[in-house]
Amino acid sequence: QQQVKQSPQSLIVQKGGISIINCAYENTAFDYFPWYQQFPGKGPALLIAIRPDVSEKKEGRFTISFNKSAKQFSLHIMDSQPGDSATYFCAARMVGNKFYFGSGTKLNVKP
Amino acid sequence: SQTIHQWPATLVQPVGSPLSLECTVEGTSNPNLYWYRQAAGRGLQLLFYSVGIGQISSEVPQNLSASRPQDRQFILSSKKLLLSDSGFYLCAWSVGGFNEQFFGPGTRLTVL
Repeated sequence: QQQVKQSPQSLIVQKGGISIINCAYENTAFDYFPWYQQFPGKGPALLIAIRPDVSEKKEGRFTISFNKSAKQFSLHIMDSQPGDSATYFCAARMVGNKFYFGSGTKLNVKP
Repeated sequence: SQTIHQWPATLVQPVGSPLSLECTVEGTSNPNLYWYRQAAGRGLQLLFYSVGIGQISSEVPQNLSASRPQDRQFILSSKKLLLSDSGFYLCAWSVGGFNEQFFGPGTRLTVL
């Protein structure tokens, strides 16, 4: 049973556009929701994260929107750039520091 | 500052051969340590999780095992590799009381 469901599997966006990736979860015991960015052949790197008592967090061009009642959260990349082309993973943390990851979204930003 | 090392970076092994992948963390004490596997084009599958020396939780029954002989050392092993063990293996760490989890550079394993 997949604890965190992520969509879409792949995404093509024009340079300057907005990239939106969505995730959903069922377990209300999750207490921390990070997003990771992974380039080919590299380990994932923490991009931005949010706690469930906050509805939105923005860092530069990256924004997380969090809907606690719907148990959904999403990553928005504003003014998408070719350098943003990577695979993005959402994740959720259980108390005790066990993390569950979505299946990933491969983003391709066209120049 | 904290750093995490994994080796080897790439590995090609025949079916039925043993496996040993090593992960070490520097600059922190008593970290939580994790092994993940990422199949081609897929997400991250948690394999093992450790909160301390000798304490290992297995998430997925399979052909692999893990050990933590020292506080900052985490080893992934297999006695006999299967074709299905091919993938990108990632070690990660976190510290209790803090939210972030940090990943190593990964090991690309190909079983032929």
